[in-house]
Amino acid sequence: GAVVSQHPSWVICKSGTSVKIECRSLDFQATTMFWYRQFPKQSLMLMATSNEGSKATYEQGVEKDKFLINHASLTLSTLTVTSAHPEDSSFYICSARDTGTVGSYGYTFGSGTRLTVV
Amino acid sequence: GENVEQHPSTLSVQEGDSAVIKCTYSDSASNYFPWYKQELGKGPQLIIDIRSNVGEKKDQRIAVTLNKTAKHFSLHITETQPEDSAVYFCAASIDSSNTGKLIFGQGTTLQVKP
Repeated sequence: GAVVSQHPSWVICKSGTSVKIECRSLDFQATTMFWYRQFPKQSLMLMATSNEGSKATYEQGVEKDKFLINHASLTLSTLTVTSAHPEDSSFYICSARDTGTVGSYGYTFGSGTRLTVV
Repeated sequence: GENVEQHPSTLSVQEGDSAVIKCTYSDSASNYFPWYKQELGKGPQLIIDIRSNVGEKKDQRIAVTLNKTAKHFSLHITETQPEDSAVYFCAASIDSSNTGKLIFGQGTTLQVKP
C-alpha cells in the first residue's frame, strides 16, 4: 500500500532556531500534500495544503512566513518552522494524496513529528 | 468551510461489547468520510471509509453508516477487544480532482476494559 515516510520522528530545538520536517511518498506520486498540527489530547488541525510545484494554501490563522512549505517534487514536501518558540511545540503530521491518478482517492498519513522547543 | 462534530469525547466499554461513535458534518458537498485510529505518538491509521453514494459499509467487526439527509455518519465496532483502545477520529472531505482537504472531528478516546 501507499506509504509516506516522515522525518524526523521527534526533534528538540532551541528557541529562535528553525526546524525542517520532511515527508516523502515512497510508492506513489504525492500531487497534493497536507500539513496538520496536533496539540496533546486534541484533534488534527489543518495548517496548509500544497500542490506539487505551486505555493501552499494556508488555513486562516496560520502564519505562512513562520511555517514554510516546499513541495518541489512529486515525492517530497517539507515544512520548516522558522524562529521556533515554545508555543510551536506540537505534533506535526503530513498527509499525501495522489490526485493525478484516476480512482486514487486515499489520504496517506506520515507517522508524525514531535517538536519540542526549549 | 466544513465543520465536523464528533461525540462522545470519551467512551468506555467492556470487552465484547459494541462501541458507537457519531459525527455530523456541515457541508452538504462533502462526499468522502473516513475513520481513523490513532495510537499515542503515531499518525492516524485509516480503519474504514465511506462515500456518499453508499449508506453502509462493513469490514469484519467495523462498520460505518452514512445518512446524507441528516448529514451524519457513525462508526460501529462490535465485539470490542482491549487492542481497540485508542483515539478515533472521523473526517470529511469534498473528494474531487482538486485538493479535497480533510477536516477532522474532535476525536473519541475509546477504552475497552478486559
